[in-house]
Amino acid sequence: EPEVTQTPSHQVTQMGQEVILRCVPISNHLYFYWYRQILGQKVEFLVSFYNNEISEKSEIFDDQFSVERPDGSNFTLKIRSTKLEDSAMYFCASRKPGQGTYEQYFGPGTRLTVT
Amino acid sequence: RKEVEQDPGPFNVPEGATVAFNCTYSNSASQSFFWYRQDCRKEPKLLMSVYSSGNEDGRFTAQLNRASQYISLLIRDSKLSDSATYLCVVLSGNSNYQLIWGAGTKLIIKP
Repeated sequence: EPEVTQTPSHQVTQMGQEVILRCVPISNHLYFYWYRQILGQKVEFLVSFYNNEISEKSEIFDDQFSVERPDGSNFTLKIRSTKLEDSAMYFCASRKPGQGTYEQYFGPGTRLTVT
Repeated sequence: RKEVEQDPGPFNVPEGATVAFNCTYSNSASQSFFWYRQDCRKEPKLLMSVYSSGNEDGRFTAQLNRASQYISLLIRDSKLSDSATYLCVVLSGNSNYQLIWGAGTKLIIKP
């Protein structure tokens, strides 16, 4: 069964450094998402991406964040200058096109630790 | 009022019991609803989609009451492997893209 993959599984970085989190969505999916989950808290939406542009973003997704689909398979989240409060699990998700099909499938996540 | 509200839990139930989770949502324009389960430090995994009044899949039954803006999940004959956090998720009524997440209810099945 096809699945979303994410790399790395764990990233440790120093405050102020840039990080890039990578995702490979399911191959026939066209909608892509990033979510984060701070330890012990609920999942929070960051951004959605369709047709090579951002469809929607939350208040969390400020100028420090950016997303890109550099080729036909990868979908990346970049944090330009990490802060301690960026420490969280970051989940990538994707869904297939079509009306009435809104199920999103999640990758295993990247645990980001900012020190 | 929170956008998606769930029972706080944790629920401790014996193996074989029936357990029910409740969830309310605030946006009456929401059309799509989901239950995900999340194991500790893992990704959320889709358990059920709820588009009409309800859905059943084996031991799991989800029901939707649009008038009351209420969704439920029933697990019958619970197994030890059902222990997880159950997340009520609502597709935002203001867009087709954003999932709004409840805080989750932790379920612990005891032998």
